[in-house]
Amino acid sequence: AQSVTQLGSHVSVSEGALVLLRCNYSSSVPPYLFWYVQYPNQGLQLLLKYTSAATLVKGINGFEAEFKKSETSFHLTKPSAHMSDAAEYFCAVSDFGDKYIFGTGTRLKVLA
Amino acid sequence: DAGVTQSPTHLIKTRGQQVTLRCSPKSGHDTVSWYQQALGQGPQFIFQYYEEEERQRGNFPDRFSGHQFPNYSSELNVNALLLGDSALYLCASSLAGTGNTEAFFGQGTRLTVV
Repeated sequence: AQSVTQLGSHVSVSEGALVLLRCNYSSSVPPYLFWYVQYPNQGLQLLLKYTSAATLVKGINGFEAEFKKSETSFHLTKPSAHMSDAAEYFCAVSDFGDKYIFGTGTRLKVLA
Repeated sequence: DAGVTQSPTHLIKTRGQQVTLRCSPKSGHDTVSWYQQALGQGPQFIFQYYEEEERQRGNFPDRFSGHQFPNYSSELNVNALLLGDSALYLCASSLAGTGNTEAFFGQGTRLTVV
């Protein structure tokens, strides 16, 4: 069965600092991996997705993630945090049937 | 393109009542999935509809049922509501195919059971 583990339910960074949100997955088949962002009282917005084309994936708003099969990881990074990045971030894995398995989320706080 | 639209945005129901939530998928999408997001948790897969049939189902009781119409819109019905059913219900639409198909999410319906 597929699963996702997000390490750190809360992460705080200073404005301008590196953002690193961790995600590890478990999958018996080559996974499709996603990062979504959720702002308060809103739905989920796709940041980026891994579909086996390239291990380093670039997404919107300056985010990127690197797929590391040996570490079963798909960590999300951004070189310089902005106040507007404060939100909840979800890592998800999908099987071939389009069902998504989500992690429990990481709430990012950006300090001025 | 209006994207995925859900109605209503908020709903308050009493224990034991029944509720119907509605979802219109993004234009061109033929698959609708429903998720339940409890406070402080990630979304949990309820079920998925394709060609008006339930294609996959998560670990939810039969009190949760759904329907997909010929225009691909969908409804989620929950019977005999429990306090624990209070959550944000998200609808996601996609185009049938491999798992790398991006799912687009609606804004959700916040259900409160009192």
